[in-house]
Amino acid sequence: AQSVSQHNHHVILSEAASLELGCNYSYGGTVNLFWYVQYPGQHLQLLLKYFSGDPLVKGIKGFEAEFIKSKFSFNLRKPSVQWSDTAEYFCAVMANQAGTALIFGKGTTLSVSS
Amino acid sequence: DTEVTQTPKHLVMGMTNKKSLKCEQHMGHRAMYWYKQKAKKPPELMFVYSYEKLSINESVPSRFSPECPNSSLLNLHLHALQPEDSALYLCASSQGSGAPGETQYFGPGTRLLVL
Repeated sequence: AQSVSQHNHHVILSEAASLELGCNYSYGGTVNLFWYVQYPGQHLQLLLKYFSGDPLVKGIKGFEAEFIKSKFSFNLRKPSVQWSDTAEYFCAVMANQAGTALIFGKGTTLSVSS
Repeated sequence: DTEVTQTPKHLVMGMTNKKSLKCEQHMGHRAMYWYKQKAKKPPELMFVYSYEKLSINESVPSRFSPECPNSSLLNLHLHALQPEDSALYLCASSQGSGAPGETQYFGPGTRLLVL
């Protein structure tokens, strides 16, 4: 069975600070890895994803994530956060087959103060 | 266009009511999903339709009844719900081809309150 673990429940940062959110997954087969963001009152949006190739993937709004297969990790990073990055961040894993579930981690609430 | 629309945005219903949630996408996607999200929790899968056929039912109580009338529409019929069913109900869609990196696109959700 697939599972996702996000280590940080709530992260509080000041603007311009660097961000790293941890994500570890458990799955024996080929996986697709995702980071979604949910801004207050808005729907889930895809930040970035990894399924093959360069393990360092870049997404929208200056976010990037690194897939480290040996550590089963897919950590999200941003060098300098902004107040507008305040949101809930979900790491998710999905098996490589049609019409299958996204398995989400419990999420990390990021609060950025200006 | 990567838009999934859901109606209504908000719904309040009593435990004896019957209501329906609607979801629509025009991206030509052939897989559609219902997720349930409680406050401060991650979304949890309820149902998957693949090519208009129910392919996954995650042991959801029968008071929730999904329907996929065509490839663009997905309904969730609600009957005799309990207060603990109050949540944000999210619809999503994806291509349904199983290609690597296939992305699920989410709608804004319907916030349901059961009294």
